[in-house]
Amino acid sequence: QSALTQPPSASGSPGQSVTISCTGSSSDIGAYNYVSWYQQHPGKAPKLMIYEVTRRPSGVPDRFSGSKSGNTASLTVSGLQAEDEADYYCSSFGGRRVFGGGTKLTVL
Amino acid sequence: EVQLVESGGGLVQPGGSLRLSCAASGFTFSDDWMDWVRQAPGKGLEWVANVEPDGSMQYYVDSVKGRFTISRDNAKKLLYLHMNSLRVEDTAVYYCARNRGWYLYDSWGQGTVVTVSS
Repeated sequence: QSALTQPPSASGSPGQSVTISCTGSSSDIGAYNYVSWYQQHPGKAPKLMIYEVTRRPSGVPDRFSGSKSGNTASLTVSGLQAEDEADYYCSSFGGRRVFGGGTKLTVL
Repeated sequence: EVQLVESGGGLVQPGGSLRLSCAASGFTFSDDWMDWVRQAPGKGLEWVANVEPDGSMQYYVDSVKGRFTISRDNAKKLLYLHMNSLRVEDTAVYYCARNRGWYLYDSWGQGTVVTVSS
């Protein structure tokens, strides 16, 4: 069982917004601002989408945003597009496990 | 452009050994922590091991301690994962990834497939 807990699935229609949560503890998410989010399409390597809770690497659309409250981090995808359908993984420094269990995002 | 290219995967019997390699280019390899992350079929990402920039310290997930060894050759810009006493549950795609600190992975290889089966 992952120390970082994500919902197994999430969904939204094109143009809508969807938020994926990642719940940790006071030892990881709650203690550090070192939360990252990764996108993974089937058969592909993960891609960094958000780091240090809210920062976006160059080239990542601003439709992707991150936040944190207490021991829970969140990834919000606004203006959903078909290509956003993928698995999303959170990670945080400090925990027993590096990655959350993953959330499959479906664009309806 | 940062590039990471893994090789060395394959089919091996339980109890066997494999050595994975990861060739790095496009950045100063000796400046960065490097990690191996794996993904079992249909499962999520699992951190396996990492090594400090100078290779002096290595860290492992409990399930591979004593069986896997991570190492690096900074002159050749190569990262390795020596895997011994392989188990069926080690079957996975193995990715090498550049760790910019605090488990921030900004570059990943394409992965190499390891299958442990009799």
